[in-house]
Amino acid sequence: SQQGEEDPQALSIQEGENATMNCSYKTSINNLQWYRQNSGRGLVHLILIRSNEREKHSGRLRVTLDTSKKSSSLLITASRAADTASYFCATDRDYGGSQGNLIFGKGTKLSVKP
Amino acid sequence: KAGVTQTPRYLIKTRGQQVTLSCSPISGHRSVSWYQQTPGQGLQFLFEYFSETQRNKGNFPGRFSGRQFSNSRSEMNVSTLELGDSALYLCASRAGQTGELFFGEGSRLTVL
Repeated sequence: SQQGEEDPQALSIQEGENATMNCSYKTSINNLQWYRQNSGRGLVHLILIRSNEREKHSGRLRVTLDTSKKSSSLLITASRAADTASYFCATDRDYGGSQGNLIFGKGTKLSVKP
Repeated sequence: KAGVTQTPRYLIKTRGQQVTLSCSPISGHRSVSWYQQTPGQGLQFLFEYFSETQRNKGNFPGRFSGRQFSNSRSEMNVSTLELGDSALYLCASRAGQTGELFFGEGSRLTVL
């Protein structure tokens, strides 16, 4: 079953605008990661946020994590056409000390129009 | 440093056949995970190997199997192929048992 669920499923914006994607998950986690996938290609890691962190930045990316609400958001600022891709959140479940495999959500398909 | 390499990139099989996919992780990475990606189900975890041992297994039938060799290279096998096995199969490696995954470009399997 899916651990993470992204929202919205699809997002279309103009270049220069900001894009916000949300992710909700169900169980306790050790960390949450965001990945990007260009059509039919492999996934590329964007950012990892640990369960004891609330916010993290990397270039034009800003990720927040709210463990009380079991949710995370990914903000891409000043988007570019090259940001067009699918974005996935992935959680690393906490099995009481040992860590399990990464479980991915179904993704948000972002389209940035020039 | 070379990335994760998956072979073959594309293949077509017919129902009932079997297929073996190969994955060479990044040098020094001991963990290899496999995922199946379809439009309907998204990314589904198949299994993870660490130092030749299967550490986790997803909810797939026994037709799906895998192994990891002493050089960390991994193979997955699907026997008695069904139409629903058509998918992009992604392999990913990481240095330890946690942290970010590095993905290959995938093997796209079409079952006719």
